[in-house]
Amino acid sequence: SYELTQPLSVSVALGQTARIACGGNNIGGKNVHWYQQRPGQAPVLVIYRDTNRPSGIPERFSGSNSGNTATLTISRAQAGDEADYYCQVWDSGTAVFGGGTKLTVL
Amino acid sequence: QVQLVQSGSELKKPGASVKVSCKASGYIFSTSAMNWVRQAPGQGLEWMGRINTNTGKPTYAQGFTGRCVFSLDTSVSTSYLQISSLKAEDTAVYYCAREGLKEFDYWGQGTLVTVSS
Repeated sequence: SYELTQPLSVSVALGQTARIACGGNNIGGKNVHWYQQRPGQAPVLVIYRDTNRPSGIPERFSGSNSGNTATLTISRAQAGDEADYYCQVWDSGTAVFGGGTKLTVL
Repeated sequence: QVQLVQSGSELKKPGASVKVSCKASGYIFSTSAMNWVRQAPGQGLEWMGRINTNTGKPTYAQGFTGRCVFSLDTSVSTSYLQISSLKAEDTAVYYCAREGLKEFDYWGQGTLVTVSS
């Protein structure tokens, strides 16, 4: 079965840029979606199909996908960005989530 | 606006069954599949499967066949997740999530199911 690998944690200084990687075999050939989950809340879609932002998601959130790694980039990180972030793809009719990355804003 | 509203928390004994509901509003129910996602305490997101809201055809992920059943009541735009023969390991928050163009664009607020004797 297809696997997605994310770092357990990423730290970023307030106002700096955070990058969260999502690794998978030839993930560049798939559409990657990203979700933000704040503590005690339901996940929220922040990037879909590699690079697209849903309405209401700040421009500070962006995505890229190539080769074996997809990346979620959060510019000018704010305290409110502290959350768990999950990547997700579809493989052979099955939705697959990465293990999640806890983002800490210092 | 699109909303998915789930039923409230449940406390069940081992061996019992539970049925979680997810009521959709703000869009045409039959145009988007509904997915179910499990999140065990302190763990990540795990896809349980989906149901085609047009045909009623369910698809179950590995590990969720047998004791889990997805169903619909299209007359009230509601999806259901039923889990039978509950075990302590089924303790989790269960989310419904609407499937847009393959992304999960809207989520319910989650339903905590606790299995304890």
